[in-house]
Amino acid sequence: GENVEQHPSTLSVQEGDSAVIKCTYSDSASNYFPWYKQELGKRPQLIIDIRSNVGEKKDQRIAVTLNKTAKHFSLHITETQPEDSAVYFCAARGGSNYKLTFGKGTLLTVNP
Amino acid sequence: GAGVSQSPRYKVAKRGQDVALRCDPISGHVSLFWYQQALGQGPEFLTYFQNEAQLDKSGLPSDRFFAERPEGSVSTLKIQRTQQEDSAVYLCASSSTSGGQGTQYFGPGTRLLVL
Repeated sequence: GENVEQHPSTLSVQEGDSAVIKCTYSDSASNYFPWYKQELGKRPQLIIDIRSNVGEKKDQRIAVTLNKTAKHFSLHITETQPEDSAVYFCAARGGSNYKLTFGKGTLLTVNP
Repeated sequence: GAGVSQSPRYKVAKRGQDVALRCDPISGHVSLFWYQQALGQGPEFLTYFQNEAQLDKSGLPSDRFFAERPEGSVSTLKIQRTQQEDSAVYLCASSSTSGGQGTQYFGPGTRLLVL
């Protein structure tokens, strides 16, 4: 089955700096890669996603890049703000599959 | 509109008790998923429903876990004879598309603690 590795497990940045979280996946058939933000005790919320026919997608301060050959994708947050502090999860879904396989998460702390 | 809701939000059970966790998906969503999230981990797939049909239950950890969605809307995850290792957050997600290919929207989860 699919296996998703996520790094780093914790990331601390100063407000205004950029943050990058990286994920690798094992199933070359995977074609959908969402990122979820989860604040403590809250539900995971989708912040951005990318499909395998696209190499990069951007939404304001958030961007995701996908390298299908290397089977890795990354989340980029620019101009970080304290409210960006949360746990971020990457996930992958196969072509004929429906289940999401998640990484273990990255705890992002943005220091004012 | 209303998102996915789950109840109860917190449940404390004594080992050996049975528990039932409820999920109300977004109205009209065809696909419904249950995930288990252990402390400090990402969600792990348990089971998938398309309308009332349970198409995949490969992630259920044991035969003590049972899920149903009899009318294709509300779903219940039941755990019989709870064990301490069942302690986790149980997340429900729904999606508007059949086949589960659309965006999955999560509920707030039920935090289960088995003593």
